[in-house]
Amino acid sequence: EPEVTQTPSHQVTQMGQEVILRCVPISNHLYFYWYRQILGQKVEFLVSFYNNEISEKSEIFDDQFSVERPDGSNFTLKIRSTKLEDSAMYFCASSELGGFGTNTGELFFGEGSRLTVL
Amino acid sequence: AQKVTQAQTEISVVEKEDVTLDCVYETRDTTYYLFWYKQPPSGELVFLIRRNSFDEQNEISGRYSWNFQKSTSSFNFTITASQVVDSAVYFCALNTYGGSQGNLIFGKGTKLSVKP
Repeated sequence: EPEVTQTPSHQVTQMGQEVILRCVPISNHLYFYWYRQILGQKVEFLVSFYNNEISEKSEIFDDQFSVERPDGSNFTLKIRSTKLEDSAMYFCASSELGGFGTNTGELFFGEGSRLTVL
Repeated sequence: AQKVTQAQTEISVVEKEDVTLDCVYETRDTTYYLFWYKQPPSGELVFLIRRNSFDEQNEISGRYSWNFQKSTSSFNFTITASQVVDSAVYFCALNTYGGSQGNLIFGKGTKLSVKP
C-alpha cells in the first residue's frame, strides 16, 4: 500500500542550526502539507502546498520556515535557525485531491520526524 | 472561530468494554467536514473516518461507530468490545469551507488505554 515516508525519524540539533526535514508523498498525490505536534499537545497545521507554491500557511509558519519541492518526489520543510520551541514531531501529509468537497481531509500522514532542539 | 474540543484527556477501560470518545466542534460555516484520526504509540496518524455536515447518518465499521449530531455539534466515536490494540490517542478534527484544503483543526486528543 502506498505510503508517505519521512526522513529522518529523529533529529537532534543545536539551537540556531538549520534543519531540513524530508518527505516523499504518495506518487499520484498533488497536495502536500506539514503539520506539527509538540509533545503531548494537539496536531497543528503549518502549511499546504500545491502546484509548486504555498496555498495556505498558519501563523506558526513564520519566516524561519520554508517548504520546497526540489524534484518530482521530495517535499521538504526547512527551519532556518531552530529555536527550543521548535522541538516537536513534524508530520508530512499528502492528498490526491484538495478542493473542498472532494477528498479534502483524506490526508495520508507519514510517521513523523521528531525534532529535538537543544 | 473554529474549534474542536475533546474534553476527555485520558480514558482507561478493561478489554471488551465499550467506550465512547466525545468530540464537540464549533464553526459558523454550514458546510464542513469532521474526522477522526488514531495515533498509536508508534506515532503515525491513521485516518479513521470523514463525515460531511450534510450527512447525519451514523456510521458503523466493524467495532467502530460514529454518532454525528448537528443539534449538539457533536461527533462522538464509540469502540465496542475494546481490545488492547485500540490503545492510542484519538483525535477529532474539523475542516471548514472557510479553510483551505487540508487545513485540519485538531482537538487535543483523548488517550485511550485498554487493559487486558
